[in-house]
This record gives sequence, structure tokens and C-alpha cells, in this order.
Amino acid sequence: QVQLQQSGTELVKPASSVKISCKASGYTFTSNYMHWIRQQPGNGLEWIGWIYPGNGNTKYNQKFDGKATLTADKSSSTAYMQLSSLTSEDSAVYFCARLGARASFDYWGQGVMVTVSS
Amino acid sequence: DVVMTQTPPSLSVAIGQSVSISCKSSQSLVASDKNTYLNWLLQSPGRSPKRLIYQVSKLDSGVPDRFSGSGSEKDFTLKISRVEAEDLGVYYCLQGTHLPFTFGSGTKLEIK
Repeated sequence: QVQLQQSGTELVKPASSVKISCKASGYTFTSNYMHWIRQQPGNGLEWIGWIYPGNGNTKYNQKFDGKATLTADKSSSTAYMQLSSLTSEDSAVYFCARLGARASFDYWGQGVMVTVSS
Repeated sequence: DVVMTQTPPSLSVAIGQSVSISCKSSQSLVASDKNTYLNWLLQSPGRSPKRLIYQVSKLDSGVPDRFSGSGSEKDFTLKISRVEAEDLGVYYCLQGTHLPFTFGSGTKLEIK
């Protein structure tokens, strides 16, 4: 069965960077777009961008351009998102989600809580 | 960006009642391939969002038929008939027609 297993909680300092992961299993990793979504505390959901692991192509929400960098490792079926120049505004839960055959997010990771604090 | 206006922000209903949630988009969600990429998600407390409905009205496998989606162009509705305790959580609409993808602000469903 399809699973997206994300890395663990992160506590990071302001101005630093963090890289979180999303390990896919149960399907051909290179055949589906992987999307990333942010949920700030008490807030709704924001789309960050996608990566196509088959060729590494990416597309970002303009709001996250320069903040998020998406990569993928085909050998380990793992997608990554690096967040840079962190501020308290970046404290949030970050989800990865697979874009399925019906052009919507059919599987989600469990989410990674990132807390930015000195 | 396409703005998704979702109402109401919250609902409190008794078990067995029916509810409707509205989602209106600032642009038509009909894509160039003639499909409409409007989805409904449920985020149960402490969980990741889960897709319930895709392409306006198609139920995901395992989703009870108490859930139904309808609408077209810019105006969409999620209806839950005979609400059950397990239905509590926050419901979101999501459009996947235009980049960037955008979500509604959510409707919190509470059980009386």
C-alpha cells in the first residue's frame, strides 16, 4: 500500500536552514508528482510547490520562492524540502502529498512540525 | 491566485442531522481538459488531511455515501447527510485547476 513517511520534529534556530524528508513506498516513486503543503499553527493549508521525481522538475508557489527548495532521490524514493533563512513565521507543520491519477492529493504524509526558536 | 471562499467557518450539529458547506472560487475551475479539479478534504483532529471527494463529486474509495459533492464553474457544495461522530474535524476545499493550488479556509464541524 502507498505510504509517505516523513521525518521527525525539528527545533531550529532563526536564520538557519532545515531539510525534511518524505520517504515513499508502495508505488513507483518516479511516476507521480510530490507536493508540499504548509499548515501554520491554528491556520489553514498553503501549497508550497511540487517536484516530479522522474526528472527533477519543480514548480513553486511564488510566495515560497527562495524559501523552499525541493529535491528528490530516486535511489531511496525520498523527496526532500529544504527551508532556508528561517524565521518564526516558518514555524508550521509541513506535509508531503502525492498527486494521484485523478489530479488530486490521494496520499499524505503524517506531517513534520518545524519550530523556529532561539 | 484563485481565492477559495469557504463558508461557514464552523458548524455544530447533532448526530443524524445533515449539513452543507459552501466553497466559491474567484475564477472558474474548469480546466482546459474540461475537467473541474475541485476536491474536498477532511482533517480529523491530530491527523493529516484526507481526500474525500475529487473532481467535484467523485467519492474516494471507502468514503461513505453520506458524503456528496456538487457544483460547477465557481460554486461548489459538500453535503453530509446523517452526520456521525467520526465526521468531526475541519473540512477544506482545494482547487487544483490553476497554479498555485489553493485551499479554502476550512469549516470546523463539531458534534453537539
